[in-house]
Amino acid sequence: DAGVIQSPRHEVTEMGQEVTLRCKPISGHNSLFWYRQTMMRGLELLIYFNNNVPIDDSGMPEDRFSAKMPNASFSTLKIQPSEPRDSAVYFCASSLGTDTRTEAFFGQGTRLTVV
Amino acid sequence: AQRVTQPEKLLSVFKGAPVELKCNYSYSGSPELFWYVQYSRQRLQLLLRHISRESIKGFTADLNKGETSFHLKKPFAQEEDSAMYYCALKGVSAGRRALTFGSGTRLQVQP
Repeated sequence: DAGVIQSPRHEVTEMGQEVTLRCKPISGHNSLFWYRQTMMRGLELLIYFNNNVPIDDSGMPEDRFSAKMPNASFSTLKIQPSEPRDSAVYFCASSLGTDTRTEAFFGQGTRLTVV
Repeated sequence: AQRVTQPEKLLSVFKGAPVELKCNYSYSGSPELFWYVQYSRQRLQLLLRHISRESIKGFTADLNKGETSFHLKKPFAQEEDSAMYYCALKGVSAGRRALTFGSGTRLQVQP
């Protein structure tokens, strides 16, 4: 298994443009998480899904951010319009359920730079 | 609310020295605590969890509920331990079953 797969690995875009980040969770995992990593704030949970349904989106910073999970093997995080302060590394993770003992497996991350 | 605090952004030690990465948490119930590690150019991965009471790569962490701490320790640091370390908490409330991370501590082990 290749693990959690994120694309693209790097994205550079101009302010105001739409950005779409993609994630393929580990096959069989039914929970998916989007995190944002910055120097100032570390790793912050943006949103997570359980069985394709958004459970907690309280970490989504603004209406410019939206996330979808149309099926068990694919999720997107969209930023529209993007701003320089959105520059960060965005991680996707998946796990088998959300029981407190289950391990979350992380993707390689997408490094987003908004200029 | 649940919160994880890692007070040190950077910890630099010499090879062979003891290491302690501090982690304190705030949570009203009985949380599950984890340590995740991110080596250079690699993805974030689980190092250990308190429920397992295990030692991984020489690291141990003990949950101290009285002090609400989960410090990560290793008696003799190795150069390959240099990485970013994140303490994380998972609560038991239905609405918050995702990991809450601290801001991370970068460990530098010098030769």
